[in-house]
Amino acid sequence: NAGVTQTPKFRVLKTGQSMTLLCAQDMNHEYMYWYRQDPGMGLRLIHYSVGEGTTAKGEVPDGYNVSRLKKQNFLLGLESAAPSQTSVYFCASNPSGGANEQFFGPGTRLTVL
Amino acid sequence: AQSVTQLGSHVSVSEGALVLLRCNYSSSVPPYLFWYVQYPNQGLQLLLKYTSAATLVKGINGFEAEFKKSETSFHLTKPSAHMSDAAEYFCAVRHLGAGSYQLTFGKGTKLSVIP
Repeated sequence: NAGVTQTPKFRVLKTGQSMTLLCAQDMNHEYMYWYRQDPGMGLRLIHYSVGEGTTAKGEVPDGYNVSRLKKQNFLLGLESAAPSQTSVYFCASNPSGGANEQFFGPGTRLTVL
Repeated sequence: AQSVTQLGSHVSVSEGALVLLRCNYSSSVPPYLFWYVQYPNQGLQLLLKYTSAATLVKGINGFEAEFKKSETSFHLTKPSAHMSDAAEYFCAVRHLGAGSYQLTFGKGTKLSVIP
């Protein structure tokens, strides 16, 4: 099993450009999440999904959109990138119910100039 | 809203010394609690988790944590630090109840191990 994978690993954008980050998991997990990590801020939840075709807003959703068309994939989109979106983005997933821990991908480092 | 406080954004210990990383949470009911570790340029990896089965939880790499309800704490310890323990550590809380799928993370504590 590859676990949780993220593409791309690195990306540099100019202000106003758009891009999509792809997260894929091969563990048949119901729940998937997108976080951003900034120095001294810990991880903050952007959006999450509790199943195929469903998404919900997290703590910092502004400027991002997501889609979960297939159970194994969770896409994060930036329609018009801003320098404030320079961050490291992590995807995570977990099975439904209980205290199941979240499994994290390796991250995508995004710089917006 | 639930919150997690990690005391000390940076902790330095000598190799072989005790590691103590502090975590306090706010919750009106006992939550699920987690400690994750992040090595440089990597994702987060679970160290251990508390699910109410036992208050003293043992994790990987010799780490353990004790849940103290009266103190709303879940501090992480390791008796003897190793150079390979140098990393950033995150405490997280997940609350019970409908829609409680989210984790709230602390801001992290970076552990340095001095040879």
